[in-house]
Amino acid sequence: AQKITQTQPGMFVQEKEAVTLDCTYDTSDPSYGLFWYKQPSSGEMIFLIYQGSYDQQNATEGRYSLNFQKARKSANLVISASQLGDSAMYFCAMRENGNNRLAFGKGNQVVVIP
Amino acid sequence: DAGVIQSPRHEVTEMGQEVTLRCKPISGHDYLFWYRQTMMRGLELLIYFNNNVPIDDSGMPEDRFSAKMPNASFSTLKIQPSEPRDSAVYFCASSPYSDRAGGETQYFGPGTRLLVL
Repeated sequence: AQKITQTQPGMFVQEKEAVTLDCTYDTSDPSYGLFWYKQPSSGEMIFLIYQGSYDQQNATEGRYSLNFQKARKSANLVISASQLGDSAMYFCAMRENGNNRLAFGKGNQVVVIP
Repeated sequence: DAGVIQSPRHEVTEMGQEVTLRCKPISGHDYLFWYRQTMMRGLELLIYFNNNVPIDDSGMPEDRFSAKMPNASFSTLKIQPSEPRDSAVYFCASSPYSDRAGGETQYFGPGTRLLVL
């Protein structure tokens, strides 16, 4: 069964605008972590932000924030003030405490246009 | 601090040849992971080690694939014999131990782009 779902088609976003990338997940483990990674065209996987299942506050890291809705099993990434360098694939991933595997979604493509 | 180091960055080989991919994890990290990324299957975990011991190799495609971690600073992923369907980007990642929910962040190396002709 697919644990991470990212279904948005490729997105174009205007420079300086905000963009929200959707991610839903499926788990019965009460203890888990959610991670977002960025993969630019150069290919490396860059860690962006983490949200733990017990965290009461939404995670933030600079221009990245995570809209964590636990009851809906949703962990959307918000990128504020988009920059041209934000053009990339973005992957949502989950790791359950009972399982050391990091399960990835299929990714969201973002293109920032000037 | 140096991140995860992988070599080679690119490898082109012919079907039937042996391929060895190398990884140096971040110093002090207890876990090492090997992933494969393809367009069709996305990112898949192949195998991971904890303190140099293989813990879960259920993602290794078949017996042609093998991985070793002889010490805390070095791991190899070997494909013998290689086949065209093995063409992919292979990532190594490492993380320290953490008891927080979901564990500690995995940090990825730059990847090895493998093309088997």
